[in-house]
Amino acid sequence: GDSVTQMEGPVTLSEEAFLTINCTYTATGYPSLFWYVQYPGEGLQLLLKATKADDKGSNKGFEATYRKETTSFHLEKGSVQVSDSAVYFCALHQRGAQKLVFGQGTRLTINP
Amino acid sequence: DAGVIQSPRHEVTEMGQEVTLRCKPISGHNSLFWYRQTMMRGLELLIYFNNNVPIDDSGMPEDRFSAKMPNASFSTLKIQPSEPRDSAVYFCASTGAGNQPQHFGDGTRLSIL
Repeated sequence: GDSVTQMEGPVTLSEEAFLTINCTYTATGYPSLFWYVQYPGEGLQLLLKATKADDKGSNKGFEATYRKETTSFHLEKGSVQVSDSAVYFCALHQRGAQKLVFGQGTRLTINP
Repeated sequence: DAGVIQSPRHEVTEMGQEVTLRCKPISGHNSLFWYRQTMMRGLELLIYFNNNVPIDDSGMPEDRFSAKMPNASFSTLKIQPSEPRDSAVYFCASTGAGNQPQHFGDGTRLSIL
């Protein structure tokens, strides 16, 4: 079945560092890909998405490119802030299906 | 616009008691999902509904768990009897038709003593 694998956490960085959180997927067909973010004490929020190969999703300085050749959707940000501390989830959604397949989440802590 | 609304935000109860979690999806959304989140198991999909009909309940851990969606604006997740291993954060999410993202509530933090 479909699956999503994320970089093991936790990840700890200093403010203004460059961030990469790896995400790879296994799926048939052409799923849509998402990054969700969960701040402490809150539910998951959509951060960005890409619906087809080579699409780049971006939001709040975060970017991820849908790479079909490597089945990847790595999350990047050039300069992180303390407020980016959260848990990040990569997910896929198959056309015609209703449910999302989530990765296990990566906890990110940014130190000032 | 109001988001997905869950109640209560926190629930502490003794094992053996019945627990009912509530969810109001976003108006106009036709799919509703119940998730459970723990440190050990991460985020697990328990059940989801489409147009108020349960579609996939394969994630429901056992018969002590049940979920209903009597109308398009309300769903419940019930645990009876509750056990300490049910302690977790339970999330409800909803989405509309097509390739729309899911919108999550803020969750119910459940502690079974």
